[in-house]
Amino acid sequence: QVQLVESGGGVVQPGRSLRLSCAASGFTFSTYGLHWVRQAPGKGLEWVAVISYDGSNKYYADSVKGRFTISRDNSKNTLYLQMNSLRAEDTAVYYCAKDLLRGVRRSPGMDVWGQGTTVTVSS
Amino acid sequence: QSALTQPASVSGSPGQSITISCTGTNSDVGSYNLVSWYQQHPGKAPKVMIYEVTKRPSGVSNRFSGSKSGNTASLTISGLQAEDEADYYCCSYAGGSTYVFGTGTKVTVL
Repeated sequence: QVQLVESGGGVVQPGRSLRLSCAASGFTFSTYGLHWVRQAPGKGLEWVAVISYDGSNKYYADSVKGRFTISRDNSKNTLYLQMNSLRAEDTAVYYCAKDLLRGVRRSPGMDVWGQGTTVTVSS
Repeated sequence: QSALTQPASVSGSPGQSITISCTGTNSDVGSYNLVSWYQQHPGKAPKVMIYEVTKRPSGVSNRFSGSKSGNTASLTISGLQAEDEADYYCCSYAGGSTYVFGTGTKVTVL
């Protein structure tokens, strides 16, 4: 079945780095845009970043621009989020999510979500 | 990239209809028909209920419907059921290939 599985979360000190991964299965990975969305404890959803189906276009929320990098390896069906200069306010559950339609320039919505991986930034 | 504005909570009795609003600006909701709605039960991942303002993905009950007028999108749940109790979030394309979520609404079935 169509599935996304995140990994790589953990406890990290402020200013350090962490890389999240999202392994995909059950669909043609290389034809869909992918997003990272996060949710701080007890808070709402926050869009973080998107990458186009071929990895050529990447866009970020202002809150992470310059610190986070989204990437993908279509040969491994895996999405990544490299997080540098982490701050306490980056503490959240991080979800990867798939575009509902393939190959679109603007996402109509996200139809498949992973179970999330927890990142805690604390000294 | 300010969050879209949703009411903190909405409640209704079983069988009733409720509507959740999602207010943005003419830079996001008002300019694009790219509003989606998500249902999230506690401890679970979000689930898409509506996309492109009015479209329902396969498998989503037709009790869920979406609409938009100006800078405000709405999600209506008709025939409210106990399993509809959850948090609901809207999301809109915000230009420049960025997206913004709403503040979230807790739906309570009385």
